[in-house]
Amino acid sequence: QQQVKQSPQSLIVQKGGISIINCAYENTAFDYFPWYQQFPGKGPALLIAIRPDVSEKKEGRFTISFNKSAKQFSLHIMDSQPGDSATYFCAATLGGDYKLSFGAGTTVTVRA
Amino acid sequence: KAGVTQTPRYLIKTRGQQVTLSCSPISGHRSVSWYQQTPGQGLQFLFEYFSETQRNKGNFPGRFSGRQFSNSRSEMNVSTLELGDSALYLCASSLVQDNSPLHFGNGTRLTVT
Repeated sequence: QQQVKQSPQSLIVQKGGISIINCAYENTAFDYFPWYQQFPGKGPALLIAIRPDVSEKKEGRFTISFNKSAKQFSLHIMDSQPGDSATYFCAATLGGDYKLSFGAGTTVTVRA
Repeated sequence: KAGVTQTPRYLIKTRGQQVTLSCSPISGHRSVSWYQQTPGQGLQFLFEYFSETQRNKGNFPGRFSGRQFSNSRSEMNVSTLELGDSALYLCASSLVQDNSPLHFGNGTRLTVT
């Protein structure tokens, strides 16, 4: 049973556009929600993370929006660049627990 | 600071054989986790070790096992390999504190023929 559902599976965006990836979770006990970025041949790398006591967190061109009541969170990539082309994974876990539940991943392609 | 190092990068084994994968965490990181990544199932948690003790385990059969040494280095073993075990096996290390991020290695690509 997948505890974190991620959509879309893939998306194509023009350079300078906005990429939006959505995730929904089941377990209301989750209290830490990281996003990972993975390039081909590499392991996932932490991009940005949020806790449910915050509704939005921004780091550079990357923003997480969090809706606790809906059990949903999303990643917005502003001013998308070709170098952002990668697979993005949302995840969720209990604080202090290193068992991450990952979404299925979204492959983002940014066209120059 | 060196990242998480996994060896070997690629491995080809035959059904029924066993395999051992190695992981060296970032210096100072005492928690090591293992994940399996496949196109069909995505990223799935295998187990996590801290201070040579397994603290958490995912839903994998007993053929999958691991261990951690006193220097925090870790190994995972898969016995009686099956075709479905073909995957990218990722190791991640972390400081031992709440919400400390996982730092992943580049994985070992295991192919079972």
